[in-house]
Amino acid sequence: QVQLVESGGGLVKPGGSLRLSCAASRFAITESYMSWIRQAPGKGLEWLSYISSSAVTTYYADSVKGRFTISRDISKNSLFLQMNSLRAEDTAVYYCAGGRTTLDFEFWGQGTLVTVSS
Amino acid sequence: QSVLTQPPSASGTPGQRVTISCSGGSSNIGSNIVNWYQQFPGTAPKLLIYSNNQRPSGVPDRFSGSKSGTSASLAISGLQSEDEANYYCSAWDDNLFWLFGGGTKLTVL
Repeated sequence: QVQLVESGGGLVKPGGSLRLSCAASRFAITESYMSWIRQAPGKGLEWLSYISSSAVTTYYADSVKGRFTISRDISKNSLFLQMNSLRAEDTAVYYCAGGRTTLDFEFWGQGTLVTVSS
Repeated sequence: QSVLTQPPSASGTPGQRVTISCSGGSSNIGSNIVNWYQQFPGTAPKLLIYSNNQRPSGVPDRFSGSKSGTSASLAISGLQSEDEANYYCSAWDDNLFWLFGGGTKLTVL
C-alpha cells in the first residue's frame, strides 16, 4: 500500500535550520497534491504548506511564510520542507500528507519530531 | 488564518449516537467540501470522511458526515469503545490555505 516516510527531524537551536524529507512509495508525487502539516505537543493539526502535482503552485500558512520552503525531487519521489529561522513555537511533529486529488489528505506519513530549544 | 470551531470534547456510552459539530465561514465550509480525520494518541491522522459525506474504503458505515451552509457534522452511531479518539474537521479556504478544526476528543464512557 501507499507509504510516506518522513525523516530529518531532531533538536535544533532557535534561529537554526532543518530540512525535512518525505519519501513516497507506491505513490507517485508527480500525480499527487502534497502538504506539510504539523502538530505541536498536545495540540491540534496545523496546515503549513502545499505543492501541486506539477509543482507550479505552492501555498503557505502565514505562520511559516518566508521561513519555510516546500519542494520535491521527482527522481527520489520525495517531498521536502526547508525550515529556516526556527522558533520555539515551531516545536511539533511534522507530517507529510496528500492524495490523488486536491480535495483531501488521503495519505499520511508517520511524522517526524522537530524540537526547537536552546 | 483562523481555525474551524469544534467542541473540545464529546462523550457517549456504547451503542449511543454521538455528533461532533464543525463551524466555519463563507470562504471555507460555506464554499468548499469538508473532510474529517480520526487520530489515535501517538499515531498519524487518518481520513475518515471526505467530500462532506463519503467514506473511504474500510471505514464503517457507523460514521457519517453532513454539511449545511457554513457548518458540518460528524455522526457516529452504535458507538464502540474503539471509537475513542480525536476527531478533526478540515476545509480549504478560498484565501488559499487549508483549515483544521481545533479537534474534538471523544470519550466512550
